[in-house]
Amino acid sequence: AQRVTQPEKLLSVFKGAPVELKCNYSYSGSPELFWYVQYSRQRLQLLLRHISRESIKGFTADLNKGETSFHLKKPFAQEEDSAMYYCALSRSTSWQLTFGSGTQLTVLP
Amino acid sequence: EPEVTQTPSHQVTQMGQEVILRCVPISNHLYFYWYRQILGQKVEFLVSFYNNEISEKSEIFDDQFSVERPDGSNFTLKIRSTKLEDSAMYFCASSEVADYGYTFGSGTRLTVV
Repeated sequence: AQRVTQPEKLLSVFKGAPVELKCNYSYSGSPELFWYVQYSRQRLQLLLRHISRESIKGFTADLNKGETSFHLKKPFAQEEDSAMYYCALSRSTSWQLTFGSGTQLTVLP
Repeated sequence: EPEVTQTPSHQVTQMGQEVILRCVPISNHLYFYWYRQILGQKVEFLVSFYNNEISEKSEIFDDQFSVERPDGSNFTLKIRSTKLEDSAMYFCASSEVADYGYTFGSGTRLTVV
């Protein structure tokens, strides 16, 4: 069965510092990977997906199949980036998402 | 921007009672989903729904659960006889195509007492 691991429950960085939220997965096939974000008191929102290879709000994520990772990065964190971030995986043969446990990012002034 | 709407935002029910959680997906979306998150735990998949039938369901989605799209706009999750362990945040989501770019609702917090 597939699994998504986000090793950090909490992560704090200072404004302007680089930030990396880690995500590792286990799945024997070709996964699709996503990052979702949940700002305080708001709904889960899709941030980005690996297949698009896009940058949203300055965030990027690269799928590394060798290391089975999909870490989320931003070179200069902003206070408004403070939120809960979830990494998620779907199998090519399924519509369901498997979520990681989430990382609460706090960007300090 | 179109939104997925869930009602109520919070529901308290007695153990053994039936509850219906309601969702209005985005109007041109064809795929619908329910997820739940027990406090302090991961977001878990319950069920996906397409073309008026269940496409996929998880082990959590047992005979106590059912989904329905009664009128072409609402999408409901029914729990027949609630248990304490059903207490969770329930999220509805929809997508235009099955490409996993979901739009989530803001959730219904179900508390079973």
